[in-house]
Amino acid sequence: QKEVEQNSGPLSVPEGAIASLNCTYSDRGSQSFFWYRQYSGKSPELIMSIYSNGDKEDGRFTAQLNKASQYVSLLIRDSQPSDSATYLCAVNILLAQYGNKLVFGAGTILRVKS
Amino acid sequence: KAGVTQTPRYLIKTRGQQVTLSCSPISGHRSVSWYQQTPGQGLQFLFEYFSETQRNKGNFPGRFSGRQFSNSRSEMNVSTLELGDSALYLCASSPGQAGYEQYFGPGTRLTVT
Repeated sequence: QKEVEQNSGPLSVPEGAIASLNCTYSDRGSQSFFWYRQYSGKSPELIMSIYSNGDKEDGRFTAQLNKASQYVSLLIRDSQPSDSATYLCAVNILLAQYGNKLVFGAGTILRVKS
Repeated sequence: KAGVTQTPRYLIKTRGQQVTLSCSPISGHRSVSWYQQTPGQGLQFLFEYFSETQRNKGNFPGRFSGRQFSNSRSEMNVSTLELGDSALYLCASSPGQAGYEQYFGPGTRLTVT
């Protein structure tokens, strides 16, 4: 079982719709969860972080975390063509009580059609 | 605040050579992590440095090494390059506390021929 799993897509949504991206993880001890957006040929850009169960909203983005189900999701409201990118789910695996190791999913390709 | 910078941005090397990549983190950030991104394997963790010490290491061979300087700048070195080392190498900067957000630099595109 992979540590972080995402549907590779592509996920196609019409402009103005809600895009829903999902991610599951295997390490029950994980405490930090991140969503990155990566445009083709560019480096990943942090768009959301979430540390507690529930929802966290930032503009058109909402991250949702359910630690009991080991599930994290990203909702993008009013999707725009500029949102077309690969979205990477990342989970911070705590090692030896300190430090960081981000484990990434393979990414979901999102295509927003105008 | 200036973002994470990486040099060089592009590099072409021959099999068997070695290469050194450089990363300057965001001012005030003390943790630097390195990742390798390839189409087949995705983004994979190489190692993390904090206060000049390697704090964590991924599952890469010993040909991959790194170091961090007192000003938090970091370098990674790959010796005896193989064709499979062709990848985008990304550096990520973080304040230092475990679990905090990491911010990526633009990356160094390494091509091994």
